[in-house]
Amino acid sequence: GEDVEQSLFLSVREGDSSVINCTYTDSSSTYLYWYKQEPGAGLQLLTYIFSNMDMKQDQRLTVLLNKKDKHLSLRIADTQTGDSAIYFCAESMEYGNKLVFGAGTILRVKS
Amino acid sequence: DAGVTQSPTHLIKTRGQHVTLRCSPISGHKSVSWYQQVLGQGPQFIFQYYEKEERGRGNFPDRFSARQFPNYSSELNVNALLLGDSALYLCASSLTRQGGEKLFFGSGTQLSVL
Repeated sequence: GEDVEQSLFLSVREGDSSVINCTYTDSSSTYLYWYKQEPGAGLQLLTYIFSNMDMKQDQRLTVLLNKKDKHLSLRIADTQTGDSAIYFCAESMEYGNKLVFGAGTILRVKS
Repeated sequence: DAGVTQSPTHLIKTRGQHVTLRCSPISGHKSVSWYQQVLGQGPQFIFQYYEKEERGRGNFPDRFSARQFPNYSSELNVNALLLGDSALYLCASSLTRQGGEKLFFGSGTQLSVL
């Protein structure tokens, strides 16, 4: 079945790197996503990775995928106070827009 | 271009009533999906519509229904509201129904059932 798990909370100092982790159970997942949600807002797509990739880098964001362990991580370099939000990991299959989300990780950045 | 727009932004209903939520996708997007986000949890998939037909359905009771119009906008209807239906309802649009596409979310409708 489909299940995505994330740690609930992460606190970092401004300027440090943040690493948010996620595990998923469905080995047939094709795409894995990271979304950001700020208070009172919808979801903002940060990045996504195809399951045949190991790593993807986009400016301050680095996504690492360990398909064998079904582990996905998001690293945010030089974390800023504006990065404080809830981060969701999600998986999907090849067809359709059904995403399965984790419960979210609250990132708190201290200045 | 406008993003995904949803209306209303907030809604208060009482148990047993019905509600209609509306969504306009990004111009040119033909697929609309609906998600329910209960406080403290991640969004859960309710429906996907593409070219006015239902293309996927999550594990929600028949009290939940939706439709898509020729202009690709969509409505989500919930009948016989329960307290547990209180949630943020998110609409997302994409160009097609394929996976791996960028899925763009609206800001949601916050539904409170009293």
